[in-house]
Amino acid sequence: EAGVAQSPRYKIIEKRQSVAFWCNPISGHATLYWYQQILGQGPKLLIQFQNNGVVDDSQLPKDRFSAERLKGVDSTLKIQPAKLEDSAVYLCASSSGLNTGELFFGEGSRLTVL
Amino acid sequence: GEDVEQSLFLSVREGDSSVINCTYTDSSSTYLYWYKQEPGAGLQLLTYIFSNMDMKQDQRLTVLLNKKDKHLSLRIADTQTGDSAIYFCAEDNYGQNFVFGPGTRLSVLP
Repeated sequence: EAGVAQSPRYKIIEKRQSVAFWCNPISGHATLYWYQQILGQGPKLLIQFQNNGVVDDSQLPKDRFSAERLKGVDSTLKIQPAKLEDSAVYLCASSSGLNTGELFFGEGSRLTVL
Repeated sequence: GEDVEQSLFLSVREGDSSVINCTYTDSSSTYLYWYKQEPGAGLQLLTYIFSNMDMKQDQRLTVLLNKKDKHLSLRIADTQTGDSAIYFCAEDNYGQNFVFGPGTRLSVLP
């Protein structure tokens, strides 16, 4: 079974530029999450989708961050304009929503903002 | 909001037992989890416990849950160098509101 795919793995941009991250969840998983993991901290939820609807985006800085999951499968997370404090690893995770709700994580996209 | 706390560092000698502790605030948690993160990788589920249980054993792993004190621990028996990683405690409420702790970095010394 293929895991959660993310790209790009690494991205370096200057502040005020924009960046987009892509995630392809495990086939059949209805729930998709984007987490921000700052160095030395635990993952912080940015947004949770159930199919193509948003379940929770309460911690998403909506003035600069946006995310979509138009067909209920792949998702993109965009940051525009980026700030220095956005430097982090952006983790995508998916779950089937059944039983334990186990999350399956991708390897993450590491963003450095200069 | 919900909060999960962990000590940040733990060092043990190879062959000893490791105990990683976690406290949480959400009394309505349904499942509590332990995830492992190796360098440059995403998180991977190690084990979980349902909130109405107080212990779960899975090979070298033992999870203890004290629901009254909102305290969760993970014991790794016979710790090996391959166990060196960051361990995250997490809680959820029926698959919603996943909250992760800051992670405990386990270093296993030869």
